[in-house]
Amino acid sequence: KAGVTQTPRYLIKTRGQQVTLSCSPISGHRSVSWYQQTPGQGLQFLFEYFSETQRNKGNFPGRFSGRQFSNSRSEMNVSTLELGDSALYLCASSLEWGLTDTQYFGPGTRLTVL
Amino acid sequence: KNEVEQSPQNLTAQEGEFITINCSYSVGISALHWLQQHPGGGIVSLFMLSSGKKKHGRLIATINIQEKHSSLHITASHPRDSAVYICAVTYNNNDMRFGAGTRLTVKP
Repeated sequence: KAGVTQTPRYLIKTRGQQVTLSCSPISGHRSVSWYQQTPGQGLQFLFEYFSETQRNKGNFPGRFSGRQFSNSRSEMNVSTLELGDSALYLCASSLEWGLTDTQYFGPGTRLTVL
Repeated sequence: KNEVEQSPQNLTAQEGEFITINCSYSVGISALHWLQQHPGGGIVSLFMLSSGKKKHGRLIATINIQEKHSSLHITASHPRDSAVYICAVTYNNNDMRFGAGTRLTVKP
């Protein structure tokens, strides 16, 4: 089975722009979660989608949003980029939602905001 | 204050040594995860547990719900075990919080 894939792997944007990241889960997995990792804050939970619905959300501003499609693929969008949004963005998929199932992580998208 | 505390922050061991990494959390949890992150960023889930003990190869994870504490043990450590190990907890099935990680270096 193919693992979780994320595109693009690297991205450079400037302040004020917006960005969309994509995540394709393992076949059969219906839950996709997103995480931000920075040197200062470490790993933080962004949100979880299951069956095209956002089920859980971390403590991030509304500039961070996401969606999930009927094939379980998910996208994450960050609008009005700030320097502090520079981070590694990871997605993970699992069979069930609720963050109590084994999470299978993708390789991440490294976003640099200039 | 981080709700998930890991210790030690850094750990250097000689090949073959027995290693223990500890994780403490503050309130009741739905599940606890042990993750491994290699240089370059890729994260692998090692264990997900809500009670008792799990074993996979040379890795053992235990959790004590009453004491709000979990340990990850590596027996017969090897240089390929060098990585950052991260403890994460799920609260109320709707939030996940992460420890700061333990950077393990195993020297041959």
